[in-house]
Amino acid sequence: EVQLVQSGADVRKPGESLRITCQGSGYTFTTYWIGWVRQMPGKGLEWMGIVYPGDSDTRYNPSFEGQVTISADKSIATAYLQWSSLKASDSAIYFCARGDSGARGDLYFDSWGQGTLVTVSS
Amino acid sequence: QSVLTQPPSVSATPGQRVTISCSGSSSNIGNNYVSWYQQFPGTAPKLLIYANDKRPSGISDRFSGSKSGTSATLAITGLQTGDEADYYCAIWDGSLITGGFGGGTKLTVL
Repeated sequence: EVQLVQSGADVRKPGESLRITCQGSGYTFTTYWIGWVRQMPGKGLEWMGIVYPGDSDTRYNPSFEGQVTISADKSIATAYLQWSSLKASDSAIYFCARGDSGARGDLYFDSWGQGTLVTVSS
Repeated sequence: QSVLTQPPSVSATPGQRVTISCSGSSSNIGNNYVSWYQQFPGTAPKLLIYANDKRPSGISDRFSGSKSGTSATLAITGLQTGDEADYYCAIWDGSLITGGFGGGTKLTVL
């Protein structure tokens, strides 16, 4: 069974750094993309970016490039989303998801983590 | 601002058929594949449709997807109260190598 397990909720102050994790199991971690999706309170889903753990190829939504860093450590089947200096507006639920890219050249998220609530408040 | 446009809400009664639209442009939907996700409050999204019209294993055939030109549609037949949820379309743009979601549609089953 494919599973993505995310790190627990976190509360930080503005300006602090943070790294949240997403550990995959039940499949070959290096052969699927891992994507990160933001959901602000009461709002819709936002596509942040993806990483391919096999070679660490990373792609960002231009809206998030420079604001976060997405990475992966294939040796421990874990993907990361990190901030160097949090803002109050980063408060949201963050989901990781497994990205399947078919022969057609598309990419969709077929399995999701449970979500990590990040609260940034002074 | 979402790259894809969905109606904020739709409603229907149990047993009916409902459709949710997803409008884009020639640069996104027109040249790429659409996927659809269902999200219940407080839970993670779930994949319903990929590659415009394909259902993953385990998804009821009451859910179907289609695409025409620069728009895509999710149809749900035999509506049940348990279908009340938010529904999102999504696109992967292979040329820009990035993706995006629609703004989401809240389905109410009256």
